[in-house]
Amino acid sequence: GAGVSQSPSNKVTEKGKDVELRCDPISGHTALYWYRQSLGQGLEFLIYFQGNSAPDKSGLPSDRFSAERTGGSVSTLTIQRTQQEDSAVYLCASSLEPGHTYQETQYFGPGTRLLVL
Amino acid sequence: GQNIDQPTEMTATEGAIVQINCTYQTSGFNGLFWYQQHAGEAPTFLSYNVLDGLEEKGRFSSFLSRSKGYSYLLLKELQMKDSASYLCAAMDSNYQLIWGAGTKLIIKP
Repeated sequence: GAGVSQSPSNKVTEKGKDVELRCDPISGHTALYWYRQSLGQGLEFLIYFQGNSAPDKSGLPSDRFSAERTGGSVSTLTIQRTQQEDSAVYLCASSLEPGHTYQETQYFGPGTRLLVL
Repeated sequence: GQNIDQPTEMTATEGAIVQINCTYQTSGFNGLFWYQQHAGEAPTFLSYNVLDGLEEKGRFSSFLSRSKGYSYLLLKELQMKDSASYLCAAMDSNYQLIWGAGTKLIIKP
């Protein structure tokens, strides 16, 4: 596809359940980012993948959050034992190759709106 | 620490000009980005500055002063569709984006 895609677009779950969110980056983009955005708030960085390097997990809020990126392409963000405060929009972005002018531009997917009841 | 400051909300009139300011403090600097985000949608890229000066792109212009840690986004001939949040983000020495909380721009007829 032409852009970053994410699924599902909306997810409603019960407190304590696990959820998986998927991101398909733009083909050829080596960098992939996950962010979280609560209503009316700015972007909160979660995790960053770059090529085959170890991911930067410094933004993950707790050990209930984890992410994988298989084959340098598709990524899955998993939230275990969801809590109500996890309710937010989860945004995925990809970029061509950080470290080069204009190639750092991040292109965002439409997001997954997660509601934990 | 690393920090981005921008106003929380601004109001302007259709057809007018508005300037949204952003100040930043980062560990190293590899450029300043502006994104537009309509309510309920993902951010979309507007501009990137890494050198001092003004970059003009149609009705939108972005300015950077590296020595002052300062940028602004200038929107001319405002249209109702420009009502959105405008996010400022600075890239640090590790090529990580440090995001501001966004400025909600309200356009009135």
